[in-house]
Amino acid sequence: SQKIEQNSEALNIQEGKTATLTCNYTNYSPAYLQWYRQDPGRGPVFLLLIRENEKEKRKERLKVTFDTTLKQSLFHITASQPADSATYLCALGTGGFKTIFGAGTRLFVKA
Amino acid sequence: DAGVIQSPRHEVTEMGQEVTLRCKPISGHNSLFWYRQTMMRGLELLIYFNNNVPIDDSGMPEDRFSAKMPNASFSTLKIQPSEPRDSAVYFCASTVVQRGHNEQFFGPGTRLTVL
Repeated sequence: SQKIEQNSEALNIQEGKTATLTCNYTNYSPAYLQWYRQDPGRGPVFLLLIRENEKEKRKERLKVTFDTTLKQSLFHITASQPADSATYLCALGTGGFKTIFGAGTRLFVKA
Repeated sequence: DAGVIQSPRHEVTEMGQEVTLRCKPISGHNSLFWYRQTMMRGLELLIYFNNNVPIDDSGMPEDRFSAKMPNASFSTLKIQPSEPRDSAVYFCASTVVQRGHNEQFFGPGTRLTVL
């Protein structure tokens, strides 16, 4: 069956460290993968997109990798700050219009 | 731009009542999505429209759910009759579909509680 898995347990890290979140998928062949941020009581906000033929994408303190052989994406936040505390969702673009979301990983950055 | 607008923000109703959720997408966007989010199931795609036409409604839980998009600036999601298990946050999102992209802009959501 098709599955998208993100760390169900919350990730707690110290301010200034690099946070690394994982997104694994099975039985999908995504054309692209997206990462979104969601704060409590709000809708998800788009952060980054990486296509199937790209290995890595960066935006300011964010970095995403995409390994279609391992069927995995890693999302890194360098020099993390308490303001980065949120839930991060990965989403697979399966072609056409459809995007399938993972359950998300909660990140807590302690000052 | 005001972003995606949803109303109401909160809805509390009793089992058996009809519920209508509303969404105004970002002007110029040609695709609209309805999602439901719960702790147990995460963010689930219910239905999406392209150019006002429903493309895939396979995520709609059952016949009690229906969605319409009469024009490019308005969509509704209706639940009739509502049940307690429908309690969730319902999000609307819009985008301009492009080849290999599809960044979605989400509204603030409607928190539905069915008693």
